[in-house]
Amino acid sequence: DAKTTQPPSMDCAEGRAANLPCNHSTISGNEYVYWYRQIHSQGPQYIIHGLKNNETNEMASLIITEDRKSSTLILPHATLRDTAVYYCIVRANNAGNMLTFGGGTRLMVKP
Amino acid sequence: NAGVTQTPKFQVLKTGQSMTLQCAQDMNHEYMSWYRQDPGMGLRLIHYSVGAGITDQGEVPNGYNVSRSTTEDFPLRLLSAAPSQTSVYFCAGQASPTVVLVETQYFGPGTRLLVL
Repeated sequence: DAKTTQPPSMDCAEGRAANLPCNHSTISGNEYVYWYRQIHSQGPQYIIHGLKNNETNEMASLIITEDRKSSTLILPHATLRDTAVYYCIVRANNAGNMLTFGGGTRLMVKP
Repeated sequence: NAGVTQTPKFQVLKTGQSMTLQCAQDMNHEYMSWYRQDPGMGLRLIHYSVGAGITDQGEVPNGYNVSRSTTEDFPLRLLSAAPSQTSVYFCAGQASPTVVLVETQYFGPGTRLLVL
């Protein structure tokens, strides 16, 4: 699996969009970009994933650059309950092992 | 439908003791895995299983054993607990390891283990 780089922490005002960046410059053509989050004292929660097209679901949007070397997770209207650690992961669809999480970004949503 | 459940929630062990962390899922997941989470290190894969009767090692398997006698259960055994095994342990289930487009992992609530 390709390595990812994320800022260790970010702040966001409640109601504003939270934009979380992730660099994955060594990503391979068959690797997907996944985002998970972990709220304090809970297990990780799947958010969204994509290959090369931008994706949107009820939780967030995922913007992947054309060269696929970076991506941004967007929470359009952050709430206090979105305070969590967000993990960006890249993984091939035929990988034998499961997802390997790095350090992630600690997002603090402030009132 | 309880999802992925883990017991116990908290456990304190003395060095050298053994114990089993239980994990069960009722979502018919073929693929199950165990992670440990340590401060500043994210999640690290311990062991995983692609189906009943099949297990394999992850990144940090030393000191742990697993078995998968049924699809539903995937216990993690600490053979002789050490302070370095103080961590939060997460069990996760997934429908299939090969169907990427619907692939997500469902995590249990975690077990907090302290080894003295």
